[in-house]
Parts: sequence; structure tokens; C-alpha cells
Amino acid sequence: GQNIDQPTEMTATEGAIVQINCTYQTSGFNGLFWYQQHAGEAPTFLSYNVLDGLEEKGRFSSFLSRSKGYSYLLLKELQMKDSASYLCAVRDWEGTALIFGKGTTLSVSS
Amino acid sequence: ETGVTQTPRHLVMGMTNKKSLKCEQHLGHNAMYWYKQSAKKPLELMFVYNFKEQTENNSVPSRFSPECPNSSHLFLHLHTLQPEDSALYLCASSQDPRSSSYEQYFGPGTRLTVT
Repeated sequence: GQNIDQPTEMTATEGAIVQINCTYQTSGFNGLFWYQQHAGEAPTFLSYNVLDGLEEKGRFSSFLSRSKGYSYLLLKELQMKDSASYLCAVRDWEGTALIFGKGTTLSVSS
Repeated sequence: ETGVTQTPRHLVMGMTNKKSLKCEQHLGHNAMYWYKQSAKKPLELMFVYNFKEQTENNSVPSRFSPECPNSSHLFLHLHTLQPEDSALYLCASSQDPRSSSYEQYFGPGTRLTVT
């Protein structure tokens, strides 16, 4: 079956670094996405990985290991506005849409 | 307007009502999607349309009926819903979904409450 696991909640303080992990078991693999969703708003695209390694985009980086079925999203220099839910999603090779995890709610405090 | 828009933003309906959700994308994309987001659950794919043709129906009950008259518009017709159908319904669009690197752009969602 298809399964994507990520922690339910995480907390951190302003200026810190936080790593949100995601593990997946899917019938195939054709890319992994991270989305950010603020409460009451639409999910917005953060990053995409299809090959092993680290993709860096400003304060956010995403890592992928296909052999381990593992990814993480790294957020540096945390700001209060980073408080949101972070969704890990995998596209398998059969379908055209994404399989989402339940999301990790990150709370950043001062 | 830009991006993906959805109307209404909030909807309360009885179990015997018929209503429709509307989604419009202004991004020139070819594919459109309906997702359901319930509390404590992952985003669940409901339907996929590519070039106006339905390409995926994720075992959705027939009380949900999608319609895609063109690549820019997507509707979700609702009838005889159940209280457990209360959720946030998100519309998304993307370029050709057969391309693995596409990203999906989401609308703000319709918060549906079935009483």
C-alpha cells in the first residue's frame, strides 16, 4: 500500500534550525514534494526532489534518499511566520497526482 | 485575478440539499484536481482532469459529481451528502501531470459543513 509518515507536531524557537522528516513506502517513485500550509490557507509549493541529495532554496533545504525512502525539510533561521503545517507528498509512477502525508504542524515561539 | 480561485469559501448545507463548488485557474494549466482535507487526515485526492478528460477517480462516492467544461474551470456537484463529508475541499491545477517535475497550485479551498 501507499504510506507516508511524518511527525504530527514540532516546536522550535525563533532563529533556530528545525528538521522535519518524512518516510514513504509507495508502489513507485517519481518525485517528492514539500508544501507549506498556513491555517485556513491553501498549500504552497516549497521544494521538489527526484534525485538523491540536497536541494537548497534560501532558508529552506530538502534532502532525499530514494534507497531509504526518506526525505527531510530543513528550515534555518526560523521566523514566527514559519509556524504552519508542512506537507510531504510523493508522486508514484502510476498516477498523475500526489500522495500526501498527514502534515507536520510546526510552532515557532519567540 | 491570478492563480487558482474557489467559490464559495464557506458552505453549510443540509443532507438533502444540492450545491456546487466552483474552481477557476488563471495559470494556463492543463490539469485540475479536487482534494478533500479532513482534520487529522492527509489530503485525499478525489478526481483528476487532464485536458478536460477525467483521468482519475479515487473511489469517490457518487454523491460527489465532478464536471470540467474546459481546462480553466472545474466544478464539484454535491447531493445527499453525509455529515462525515464535512471538510475543506481544495482545488489544484498544474501543467501536464505526465511531467514528473510539475508542481500543483492550490486554491484557498471551500470549507464545507454538512448538517
